[in-house]
Amino acid sequence: GAGVSQSPSNKVTEKGKDVELRCDPISGHTALYWYRQSLGQGLEFLIYFQGNSAPDKSGLPSDRFSAERTGGSVSTLTIQRTQQEDSAVYLCASSLSWEPGYTFGSGTRLTVV
Amino acid sequence: AQTVTQSQPEMSVQEAETVTLSCTYDTSENNYYLFWYKQPPSRQMILVIRQEAYKQQNATENRFSVNFQKAAKSFSLKISDSQLGDTAMYFCALKYGGATNKLIFGTGTLLAVQP
Repeated sequence: GAGVSQSPSNKVTEKGKDVELRCDPISGHTALYWYRQSLGQGLEFLIYFQGNSAPDKSGLPSDRFSAERTGGSVSTLTIQRTQQEDSAVYLCASSLSWEPGYTFGSGTRLTVV
Repeated sequence: AQTVTQSQPEMSVQEAETVTLSCTYDTSENNYYLFWYKQPPSRQMILVIRQEAYKQQNATENRFSVNFQKAAKSFSLKISDSQLGDTAMYFCALKYGGATNKLIFGTGTLLAVQP
């Protein structure tokens, strides 16, 4: 597609449930990133995929968070046993491997009630 | 550690006037990039301007320009002829060398352009 697509746009879930957030990067972009934006905060790095290399998971806040990228394209961020502090906007971005800046999607706003 | 600091949580400017948003950063790297991103209510982060650290000349993009002071580790954004559509959250970000290519973001400045 023309841009980075994320779904759903908004998600309300009950505490303790699992959620899956999807990111469809720009075609041909080998690098994919997930960031979290909590209310009044900047963006917090979560995870980075680059081609077939092992992902950089250093930003994942707990083992309840995981992400995968299938076929070098679509990525899914999974949060298990959601907690209220997980409420945030989750932003996905992609880039060419050599490109220092990236293109963001519009994010998924997750609300845990 | 790499850090980015934006000390102005909110700013306001009259339409057609000029405003400057501040950003300071810290890195031990010699090669890095600096960015300003805009986030309107639609939530999508939009790249406004970027600066390569090895370039002495300040980057400009139409009404947007930066004042890059490498020794002072300062990277301010100047918006000239402010427009109502410039109302947004503005984030300063740093990308340093290394395999991960991740960006370090400041906490943002909310800019309101008043008619």
